[in-house]
Amino acid sequence: DAGVTQSPTHLIKTRGQQVTLRCSPISGHKSVSWYQQVLGQGPQFIFQYYEKEERGRGNFPDRFSARQFPNYSSELNVNALLLGDSALYLCASSVGQGSSYEQYFGPGTRLTVT
Amino acid sequence: AQSVTQLDSQVPVFEEAPVELRCNYSSSVSVYLFWYVQYPNQGLQLLLKYLSGSTLVKSINGFEAEFNKSQTSFHLRKPSVHISDTAEYFCAVSAPSGGYQKVTFGIGTKLQVIP
Repeated sequence: DAGVTQSPTHLIKTRGQQVTLRCSPISGHKSVSWYQQVLGQGPQFIFQYYEKEERGRGNFPDRFSARQFPNYSSELNVNALLLGDSALYLCASSVGQGSSYEQYFGPGTRLTVT
Repeated sequence: AQSVTQLDSQVPVFEEAPVELRCNYSSSVSVYLFWYVQYPNQGLQLLLKYLSGSTLVKSINGFEAEFNKSQTSFHLRKPSVHISDTAEYFCAVSAPSGGYQKVTFGIGTKLQVIP
């Protein structure tokens, strides 16, 4: 079975632009979470979606938004990009939304803002 | 609120020597604990997890971690490391928060295995 997939792999954007990152969860997984990993840091939680509804949100500005589609894939949107948004964006999927469910991570999208 | 502290940012160790990567956590509720490994330019892979039951958990590649509730620790150990273990290791806690699964990661420990 395919794991979590993310696209694109790498992305270069200019300050002020908007970006959309995509994630396809493992088949059968209904929960998708997004994380931002700045160089030299651990992943920081951005959003969790379960059954197409936002279930949790981390301490990120409103420039960050996401959605989950009927097929459980997800998109993360970031508007008005700042240099500080440069990071590896990780998507993780799990069967359910409870704390005991194992999260499976995708390879990430490397976003560079210049 | 929950937090994770990884006390060592980098740990150099000679091949075939033992290693311990330290992790302490803070939480006002019961948590689940995880160790993830990240190889260069890759995503995170689950190494092992503690949900309940035996406080000593083991991975298939020789790593083990012990949950110590009184010391709020979940240190990762391996009796003999290999070159292929060179990677970054993240400790994480997961707990219910407002109806969703909140996962908090530490800043990571880079394990460098020296030939």
